[in-house]
Amino acid sequence: QVQLQESGPGLVKPSQTLSLTCTVSGGSISSGSYYWSWIRQPAGKGLEWIGRIYTSGSTNYNPSLKSRVTISVDTSKNQFSLKLSSVTAADTAVYYCARARREVTLDYWGQGTLVTVSS
Amino acid sequence: DIQMTQSPSSLSASVGDRVTITCQASQDISNYLNWYQQKPGKAPKLLIYDASNLETGVPSRFSGSGSGTDFTFTISSLQPEDIATYYCQQYDNLPLGYTFGQGTKLEIK
Repeated sequence: QVQLQESGPGLVKPSQTLSLTCTVSGGSISSGSYYWSWIRQPAGKGLEWIGRIYTSGSTNYNPSLKSRVTISVDTSKNQFSLKLSSVTAADTAVYYCARARREVTLDYWGQGTLVTVSS
Repeated sequence: DIQMTQSPSSLSASVGDRVTITCQASQDISNYLNWYQQKPGKAPKLLIYDASNLETGVPSRFSGSGSGTDFTFTISSLQPEDIATYYCQQYDNLPLGYTFGQGTKLEIK
């Protein structure tokens, strides 16, 4: 059973960089044709896809966030990571990592981690 | 951009009722449409993939149908544990990626 777990600071100051890591267990992040995504959800609102990385290391980002987002993978640790720069209060949200099978379907999700942007 | 219109935004029904949620795409997305259930404080859970396929382990009272632009999600007999927010999700060509409907909050009458 694949499991994903987000980790990282729960509080980030405005203008700084938000950094989160997703640790994958129950399977190798580099096996199979899976995409690994970050998705966020502000309190009481809907879901927004941030970006994804393929097992090859190729990345795709939501155009609305592309200038501030970097997603990377560390296959030796079975982890992938998110960096979001120049954060503002609007970036306060629960951040989820998720796996996509056949590119289209998000079948496994982490439990989510709340990141608050505040001074 | 492909726009997804999910309705209703909220729904109140009684235990045992048949519940239907719709999702409309602004252009043809074939059957690239998934449905998720999100309970308060929890991550979304995949229920239906490719518009009509039940994910393994999901109760058979959940179903989905549709293709092209119009999709329907149905709970055949509402149970108390089905109280949640439901989202449709489509996959668009890059760079847009994954987009979600606005969500339907389901409550018990």
